[in-house]
Amino acid sequence: DSGVTQTPKHLITATGQRVTLRCSPRSGDLSVYWYQQSLDQGLQFLIQYYNGEERAKGNILERFSAQQFPDLHSELNLSSLELGDSALYFCASSVVPQHTDTQYFGPGTRLTVL
Amino acid sequence: GENVEQHPSTLSVQEGDSAVIKCTYSDSASNYFPWYKQELGKGPQLIIDIRSNVGEKKDQRIAVTLNKTAKHFSLHITETQPEDSAVYFCAANFGNEKLTFGTGTRLTIIP
Repeated sequence: DSGVTQTPKHLITATGQRVTLRCSPRSGDLSVYWYQQSLDQGLQFLIQYYNGEERAKGNILERFSAQQFPDLHSELNLSSLELGDSALYFCASSVVPQHTDTQYFGPGTRLTVL
Repeated sequence: GENVEQHPSTLSVQEGDSAVIKCTYSDSASNYFPWYKQELGKGPQLIIDIRSNVGEKKDQRIAVTLNKTAKHFSLHITETQPEDSAVYFCAANFGNEKLTFGTGTRLTIIP
């Protein structure tokens, strides 16, 4: 158990809908990262937050957004869902956003868009 | 660009034998190289990592070697056991905090 928690574990929804994925980092970790894992794209970085502020953006679609709250938990919002958004979404956390800081991954949320 | 290549994509070894997975990266600015193990239905679990100021790191049956000149690093698992069966991912940073992952190696240990 990494100490990173994610809810829900599974999510099934329809095209065009909006969902919110939640992540709680390890105790003491200030930085949160979101990754998407799909069969054809592998593990891809989406976005990073540090102490409530957006720090880096990767291949995140405009339909997706995220935020980190004062208690350091983070939410990833996915809207106007398409079939291709079906994937595993992982949250990771690290103490501080240093280049060599270890990232610990949560168990993921499996999103299925029908 | 930021790229990590991983080989092989699948690997089967007899229980007790060694397994080696290799990765190459594109940017000499990279200075952090973690390895993750992912079991079915679970998130990636860090098993070992190496930073660019060392060439080799070992933790019991697992070791990682880094060759910065050639821009490649490898995972070595000795005395493999059935519980080592999983998908293994290498990753690297490229002068920033985000990780770029390899495409994964599905390791199967044959009893």
